[in-house]
Amino acid sequence: EAGVAQSPRYKIIEKRQSVAFWCNPISGHATLYWYQQILGQGPKLLIQFQNNGVVDDSQLPKDRFSAERLKGVDSTLKIQPAKLEDSAVYLCASSPRTGVGSNQPQHFGDGTRLSIL
Amino acid sequence: DQQVKQNSPSLSVQEGRISILNCDYTNSMFDYFLWYKKYPAEGPTFLISISSIKDKNEDGRFTVFLNKSAKHLSLHIVPSQPGDSAVYFCAASDSFTSGGYQKVTFGTGTKLQVIP
Repeated sequence: EAGVAQSPRYKIIEKRQSVAFWCNPISGHATLYWYQQILGQGPKLLIQFQNNGVVDDSQLPKDRFSAERLKGVDSTLKIQPAKLEDSAVYLCASSPRTGVGSNQPQHFGDGTRLSIL
Repeated sequence: DQQVKQNSPSLSVQEGRISILNCDYTNSMFDYFLWYKKYPAEGPTFLISISSIKDKNEDGRFTVFLNKSAKHLSLHIVPSQPGDSAVYFCAASDSFTSGGYQKVTFGTGTKLQVIP
């Protein structure tokens, strides 16, 4: 089984520029997550999709961050314009469909390390 | 509001001994708990989980214990091996009050070093 694929692995941009990250989840996984992990902290959920619908984006800074999941498969996360505090690793994860009382572990990609100059 | 806390940022253990990693949580609605292991430059990898209806789950060298009254869980690794050196994240999820979907909250991680 192929894992979660993310690209690029590394990205360096200047503040106020824009950047986009791509994620291809494990085939058949209905739930897709984007996390932000700042150095020394645990992953923080930015947005969660169930198929192609958003179920939680309460911690997504919507003035600069956007995400979409086309056809319920691949997803892109965009930052525009970037700020210095956006320097972090952006992790994508997927899991089979979850529901009340139906819990599944998440499978993570290796992340994109973003540096803002 | 840190709902999942790992108060020890690091831990060093001799090879062959037991490693005990601790995690505390505040949300009584959490119903599923997980441990992930993370190597540098890689994504977290699922290690072991436990449902809130159990107090122990074992998988080879790894055992997770859950004390619901204390809102505490721990991961035991016996015997510890140098390849276990990594950052370990505790995570908890609540599917009942999150609109029917699984919402996962992570701790800040504990860096384990197993000394040969």
